Amino acid sequence: RKEVEQDPGPFNVPEGATVAFNCTYSNSASQSFFWYRQDCRKEPKLLMSVYSSGNEDGRFTAQLNRASQYISLLIRDSKLSDSATYLCVVNKYSGAGSYQLTFGKGTKLSVIP
Amino acid sequence: DVKVTQSSRYLVKRTGEKVFLECVQDMDHENMFWYRQDPGLGLRLIYFSYDVKMKEKGDIPEGYSVSREKKERFSLILESASTNQTSMYLCASSLSRPGASMRAEQYFGPGTRLTVT
Repeated sequence: RKEVEQDPGPFNVPEGATVAFNCTYSNSASQSFFWYRQDCRKEPKLLMSVYSSGNEDGRFTAQLNRASQYISLLIRDSKLSDSATYLCVVNKYSGAGSYQLTFGKGTKLSVIP
Repeated sequence: DVKVTQSSRYLVKRTGEKVFLECVQDMDHENMFWYRQDPGLGLRLIYFSYDVKMKEKGDIPEGYSVSREKKERFSLILESASTNQTSMYLCASSLSRPGASMRAEQYFGPGTRLTVT
């Protein structure tokens, strides 16, 4: 299994739709989880951290399932401005007491008028 | 708001040149990182630093070095640029280390798109 795996998409959805992305990770010892969004030719920007109990920020809901090692992101009432690539990010142990963040390759979302 | 700035948005260099990419953050973060991002490969960690004068290799350090003389500044150096180093280079900083359960999120600069000809 890849360290962090995402469906690359693209997901083409109409405005107002609800869309969900899943991400699986391979390291059961991972402790930190995030969703970032990245617009074309721009830097990744933190969308939300993902907590064990799940968390919500406006139209965005993130869930963590440790047993199955996956993270999900739900976007409700999609807006045109949600069009971007969504990166799943997980930390991994890299040896000698050190951790790194591992970035998925992203899922592309296009919201269509 | 965290602000991470990078010295150039676009850079064109010739093969064999020494290239310096500068990154500055204004949030007093101890942890700084350099990544490169290529189509189909995602973000890959080149080097990171958890303190002044400290540096650690990431996944792809070959052909690169770094310098951290001040807490707010982390420089990436391409000793002898090659065409396979053409890429988008992203600097990031964080309050906590990636192993922490809180505050480990990283904040990115706008990136430097480097072309080596």
